[in-house]
Amino acid sequence: GQNIDQPTEMTATEGAIVQINCTYQTSGFNGLFWYQQHAGEAPTFLSYNVLDGLEEKGRFSSFLSRSKGYSYLLLKELQMKDSASYLCAPLDSNYQLIWGAGTKLIIKP
Amino acid sequence: TAGITQAPTSQILAAGRSMTLRCTQDMRHNAMYWYRQDLGLGLRLIHYSNTAGTTGKGEVPDGYSVSRANTDDFPLTLASAVPSQTSVYFCASSEDGSNQPQHFGDGTRLSIL
Repeated sequence: GQNIDQPTEMTATEGAIVQINCTYQTSGFNGLFWYQQHAGEAPTFLSYNVLDGLEEKGRFSSFLSRSKGYSYLLLKELQMKDSASYLCAPLDSNYQLIWGAGTKLIIKP
Repeated sequence: TAGITQAPTSQILAAGRSMTLRCTQDMRHNAMYWYRQDLGLGLRLIHYSNTAGTTGKGEVPDGYSVSRANTDDFPLTLASAVPSQTSVYFCASSEDGSNQPQHFGDGTRLSIL
């Protein structure tokens, strides 16, 4: 079956760094997306990885290891506005996104 | 600004009634999607359309129907609502049905009593 595993909740301090891990099992693989979703709002696209390695985009970076079925999202210089849920979503062989339940990130001053 | 518009924003509906959730995009995207989001669960795909005139079933299609008469519109219909369909419904679109990122509407919060 298809399965996504990410922590339910994480807490971090403003200005710090946090890493949100995601492991996945899918029928085929065509890349992996990370989305951000603030409470009561729509998900918004953060990153897409299809090859192994690190993709950096400002304060946010995303890493992929296809052989391990593993990805992480790294957030640096945390700001209060980064408090949100972060959704890991690999793309299966039919190009359907398989969504994790998300990691709720709480930022404390 | 360009994007996806969903209507209504929220609705309370009596069980057994029918309801159509509207979704319109002005980005000329070929692919469109309907998801439901329930607490503690990931987004679940209800139906999708890779291009105007075609639709497909997602993970949880039962009790829902869709149509794609043109590129811009992708309405979702509940023929006879049941309480288990209480959820937040998101419409999304992408350039095509491959590895392009999906862009989401603001969602419709639906309560079935």
